[in-house]
Amino acid sequence: SQQGEEDPQALSIQEGENATMNCSYKTSINNLQWYRQNSGRGLVHLILIRSNEREKHSGRLRVTLDTSKKSSSLLITASRAADTASYFCATDDDYKLSFGAGTTVTVRA
Amino acid sequence: ETGVTQSPTHLIKTRGQQVTLRCSSQSGHNTVSWYQQALGQGPQFIFQYYREEENGRGNFPPRFSGLQFPNYSSELNVNALELDDSALYLCASRAQGVTHYGYTFGSGTRLTVV
Repeated sequence: SQQGEEDPQALSIQEGENATMNCSYKTSINNLQWYRQNSGRGLVHLILIRSNEREKHSGRLRVTLDTSKKSSSLLITASRAADTASYFCATDDDYKLSFGAGTTVTVRA
Repeated sequence: ETGVTQSPTHLIKTRGQQVTLRCSSQSGHNTVSWYQQALGQGPQFIFQYYREEENGRGNFPPRFSGLQFPNYSSELNVNALELDDSALYLCASRAQGVTHYGYTFGSGTRLTVV
């Protein structure tokens, strides 16, 4: 079974717009991570937020974490065509990552 | 650029056969994990190796087995292949205990079982 669940399943936006996707999970976590996957290839680590953090920024990425609601969000600002990919949240319990089914983002030029 | 390399990139096998997939982890990363990703789904944890011993396993049958070698390389072996084993297999590495960094993933091996 998968720990994280992303919402929406798919998102289509215009270049320059912001993209927001959400993740919900079921159990306690040490940290939560977001990954990007292009065209069914390997995953690229984007950002990690620890369970005692509420918000984190990395370039055009902003991640929030609400442990009381067991949810996280990823915001990509000023999207580019190169941001077209699938995005996954994953909970980390020190020896394994548990992924959701992902959000597919399409950025239209 | 990823520091984890996987081979081969694509593979076609017949049901009932055995397959070995290979991974070379990033230098200094003594923990390696394997994941299976079916089409349209998120990756599923198969197992993790640390210091050449399996130290965590997901919900996969014993016909999925692995090896880790001292030179940061590892293998995933699957016996008695089934059609449902068709998937992208991903290798990921991280230094043990370094939980404030994410994992480094390879580009994967696409296995097709016919």
